[in-house]
Amino acid sequence: NAGVTQTPKFQVLKTGQSMTLQCAQDMNHNSMYWYRQDPGMGLRLIYYSASEGTTDKGEVPNGYNVSRLNKREFSLRLESAAPSQTSVYFCASSEIAGGTDTQYFGPGTRLTVL
Amino acid sequence: DAKTTQPTSMDCAEGRAANLPCNHSTISGNEYVYWYRQIHSQGPQYIIHGLKNNETNEMASLIITEDRKSSTLILPHATLRDTAVYYCIVRVASFWGGTASKLTFGTGTRLQVTL
Repeated sequence: NAGVTQTPKFQVLKTGQSMTLQCAQDMNHNSMYWYRQDPGMGLRLIYYSASEGTTDKGEVPNGYNVSRLNKREFSLRLESAAPSQTSVYFCASSEIAGGTDTQYFGPGTRLTVL
Repeated sequence: DAKTTQPTSMDCAEGRAANLPCNHSTISGNEYVYWYRQIHSQGPQYIIHGLKNNETNEMASLIITEDRKSSTLILPHATLRDTAVYYCIVRVASFWGGTASKLTFGTGTRLQVTL
């Protein structure tokens, strides 16, 4: 049981390049999330998917798109990377237990945009 | 979601209990108290959560006051590997098939465990 996995671990892009961050979970969770964490700051929600086939914007969605490919996989795409998108990106998934949901996080993708 | 207040930093000697306080005086009746931690450069790790009653699992204990306005996370025998930033989060429960609820991470408490 690997939990939440993310690829790649590190990535360097030039301004204007595009890339997709991959996330997969093997816990059969319905909900999945993408967060970003800037240095010295808390996590901010980019997009989330409450269930397979649905996606919704979080608090900082501009410059990103997502795809909930199936129940296991939730990808985050940067169409035209900007230096302001330099950050650590975390994917999470959640389960319902005891009347509330608990989120489990992946190890993160460290992205630098030059 | 209710706002939380935590000390910026705390120290604890290895082998001793670490008691991390959290104030959430505006908590509503349907809001849970969650604790996560983030070890340097890693993804946040779920520790424990509770609504009204005290909770214990293999990692920690959560003590919630009777008025629910504050709570304490207890790591019974802290080790060097427990050095991390600990986040207390108060949030409304999400229900099956309903809207996924984001976690709002504040600045947390930086716990330093020393020899």
